[in-house]
Amino acid sequence: NAGVTQTPKFRVLKTGQSMTLLCAQDMNHEYMYWYRQDPGMGLRLIHYSVGEGTTAKGEVPDGYNVSRLKKQNFLLGLESAAPSQTSVYFCASRIEGISSGELFFGEGSRLTVL
Amino acid sequence: AQSVTQPDIHITVSEGASLELRCNYSYGATPYLFWYVQSPGQGLQLLLKYFSGDTLVQGIKGFEAEFKRSQSSFNLRKPSVHWSDAAEYFCAVVGGSQGNLIFGKGTKLSVKP
Repeated sequence: NAGVTQTPKFRVLKTGQSMTLLCAQDMNHEYMYWYRQDPGMGLRLIHYSVGEGTTAKGEVPDGYNVSRLKKQNFLLGLESAAPSQTSVYFCASRIEGISSGELFFGEGSRLTVL
Repeated sequence: AQSVTQPDIHITVSEGASLELRCNYSYGATPYLFWYVQSPGQGLQLLLKYFSGDTLVQGIKGFEAEFKRSQSSFNLRKPSVHWSDAAEYFCAVVGGSQGNLIFGKGTKLSVKP
């Protein structure tokens, strides 16, 4: 049972390059999330999806795009990476229903932008 | 808007000592509250959650938390800390129409031998 899997786990980019982070979950969860974690800032929500084909902006969406073409996958894209996007990115998923709450997290993807 | 405050950035306790991590929330109605733990290099794992009912909730790894509406608090406790409890702990509350989690900034726990 893999749960939530993120690829790649590490990546170094130069300013202006583009890349895509892939999140895959095998729990048939409706809701999926992308967070970034920075020292002293906790987790901040970038984008989220409440089902296949839907996406919505979170707290810090600028500079990122997402897609949810398949229920099990949630992609996070950086079109033109900036040093401010150096961070650890976490994907998470959960079942539908506001009371469920519990998020299942991937192990993170560490991105460095030079 | 909903928010979560964890007043302590870093706490150090001796192994075997008791632990209390503080969490204060801002929410109009009855909140759904969570504590997550993050070990170094790992994603977050749910420790416990409060939705309603008994204000003292038990979680995994011997942790418990108490919901106090009058103080808008949901503090995490453990009677005797083990070295393996060294990690970062995040309090969270469900907020917004989509039920997204709002996280505090975390408290890093160090354990002295």
